[in-house]
Amino acid sequence: EIVMTQSPASLSVSPGERATLSCRASQSVSGYLAWYQQKPGQAPRLLIYGASTRATGTPARFSGSGSGTEFTLTISSLQSEDFAVYYCQQYNNWPLYTFGQGTKLEIK
Amino acid sequence: QVRLQESGPGLVKPSETLSLTCTVSGFSISSGYYWGWIRQPPGKGLERIGIIYHSGSTYYNPSLKSRVTISVDTSKNQFSLKLSSVTAADTAVYFCARDSSSWYDYWGQGTLVTVSS
Repeated sequence: EIVMTQSPASLSVSPGERATLSCRASQSVSGYLAWYQQKPGQAPRLLIYGASTRATGTPARFSGSGSGTEFTLTISSLQSEDFAVYYCQQYNNWPLYTFGQGTKLEIK
Repeated sequence: QVRLQESGPGLVKPSETLSLTCTVSGFSISSGYYWGWIRQPPGKGLERIGIIYHSGSTYYNPSLKSRVTISVDTSKNQFSLKLSSVTAADTAVYFCARDSSSWYDYWGQGTLVTVSS
């Protein structure tokens, strides 16, 4: 099983600032990585797939990068609605794909 | 617009079987895609339970495989989850979702199932 490790577990950032979230895979997943956003009481929402392609409706302030084992989700200027939990998910070896444990983005 | 809605009991006794149904609207299950169940224990991360294709082919998380059955009813545009011999560790929000064979692009709102006597 490919283990996905996200860091940090939580991150406090002020509105308007930049946030950088990391996701590391225990072995290469090439570019087969997705990011989700989950707000309290809601289902996760797909933000990015293919490591860097924004899903329909994802604002341009969200960007993804990386390949192989190291990936980053960057939110360029945090808005109030961006404070949530973010999960990465690898889909390199379908159907054995796995989620990271999440990073909680909090208001500073 | 693809919509998914979970339904089923919110309380299940230990050792019994958890049963949930996901009703899909706005898209015919028979048209393709895999359809899956994911769960999230309170305050924790996401765990994939399994998926099913309209033909009935399935994949289950190895850690749950001995207790899980996912089935599909294309005539009702629904798919279902059964998890047997539940314990308190199975208490979670259960989501159904469309699996694009890569990522989950549409999700139900989730339903909390508590295992307690």
